[in-house]
Amino acid sequence: EAGVTQFPSHSVIEKGQTVTLRCDPISGHDNLYWYRRVMGKEIKFLLHFVKESKQDESGMPNNRFLAERTGGTYSTLKVQPAELEDSGVYFCASSQGRTAFFGQGTRLTVV
Amino acid sequence: TQLLEQSPQFLSIQEGENLTVYCNSSSVFSSLQWYRQEPGEGPVLLVTVVTGGEVKKLKRLTFQFGDARKDSSLHITAAQPGDTGLYLCAGPLVGNRDDKIIFGKGTRLHILP
Repeated sequence: EAGVTQFPSHSVIEKGQTVTLRCDPISGHDNLYWYRRVMGKEIKFLLHFVKESKQDESGMPNNRFLAERTGGTYSTLKVQPAELEDSGVYFCASSQGRTAFFGQGTRLTVV
Repeated sequence: TQLLEQSPQFLSIQEGENLTVYCNSSSVFSSLQWYRQEPGEGPVLLVTVVTGGEVKKLKRLTFQFGDARKDSSLHITAAQPGDTGLYLCAGPLVGNRDDKIIFGKGTRLHILP
């Protein structure tokens, strides 16, 4: 069974540009999470989908970040316009219960 | 406020030594997971502990959940260079309806050959 997959694995963009990250959860997992790890800090929660609904988006830094999960399958996280402080590793996880399984992450570098 | 405190932050020891790392909170968790993360990879689940006082063993790794479900420890016996990595504890808070998982900052472990 395929695990959580994220695309791209790395992205380098200029400040002001737009980037869209994609996450494909484990098939059948209703819960999908986005997390971010900025260098030297802990992994921080961004938001949580249950199927296609946003259950909790309290961790989204600001309105430059937009997450969608149309049809309750894969999810996208768009950053527009990107700022330098958005650099970090963005992780997606999915669960069907109390344990989350993570993707390999997307390393975003804004220059 | 950091809900899950992990200690130590960094640990560098010789191959063959034993070590224990800790994950502490003032809050009660319905379960705790331990993950190991290697550079360029996402966190990989090692174990989930659910019941207060539970002990789980994974080869040379022993995980314990505190009786009050507020803390956990990971003990490694005879550490190997392959144990090197970032160890993260995480879990959903009791009463948290939406299973949102909280992470600690991690313990970065380096085993010297």
